[in-house]
Amino acid sequence: AQSVSQHNHHVILSEAASLELGCNYSYGGTVNLFWYVQYPGQHLQLLLKYFSGDPLVKGIKGFEAEFIKSKFSFNLRKPSVQWSDTAEYFCAVNAGSTGFQKLVFGTGTRLLVSP
Amino acid sequence: GAGVSQSPSNKVTEKGKDVELRCDPISGHTALYWYRQSLGQGLEFLIYFQGNSAPDKSGLPSDRFSAERTGGSVSTLTIQRTQQEDSAVYLCASSRKYDQETQYFGPGTRLLVL
Repeated sequence: AQSVSQHNHHVILSEAASLELGCNYSYGGTVNLFWYVQYPGQHLQLLLKYFSGDPLVKGIKGFEAEFIKSKFSFNLRKPSVQWSDTAEYFCAVNAGSTGFQKLVFGTGTRLLVSP
Repeated sequence: GAGVSQSPSNKVTEKGKDVELRCDPISGHTALYWYRQSLGQGLEFLIYFQGNSAPDKSGLPSDRFSAERTGGSVSTLTIQRTQQEDSAVYLCASSRKYDQETQYFGPGTRLLVL
């Protein structure tokens, strides 16, 4: 079945630590890839997206993600996290095979950054 | 500019009652989506509207769920004869005609069925 997997459900880091959140998808063909973030008490916000071109995409707040087609992965990274990065992070995919209208989400990763 | 808005923010209802959830998309966005976020699960696609085209209802979990979009703008998601398993956060999103892949989400309606 087509799916999006986020392997880390909970991550706890200290400020200034580096972050990498895994995301794998199982769709073939053309895909668009997204990371959304949900800060406590706030709604989902787009962090970054990949449609085509340079597989390393940069988003807001110093986040970046790398699309590795051979690994069906789109991992999120940040070199040095801050307390304000505490949030839930969702990887999402829409694919030509299911209609680009449907975003399919992973189950999310809760990140807690301790000061 | 104004984002996607949803009402109510929270809704508590009794099992068996009907509920209506409202979504106001971003002005000028032609596409509108409903998703559901259940406890411990990811977001689940429910339904998609694009302009005047027939909606894609493939994600609706049962015939108790329906949605309409009037005038190409506001949308209402209706759940009839609510069940406890319908308890979730219902999210609405919208997107531009020429960038449909990028969806902007509202704050959601938290539904609790007792």
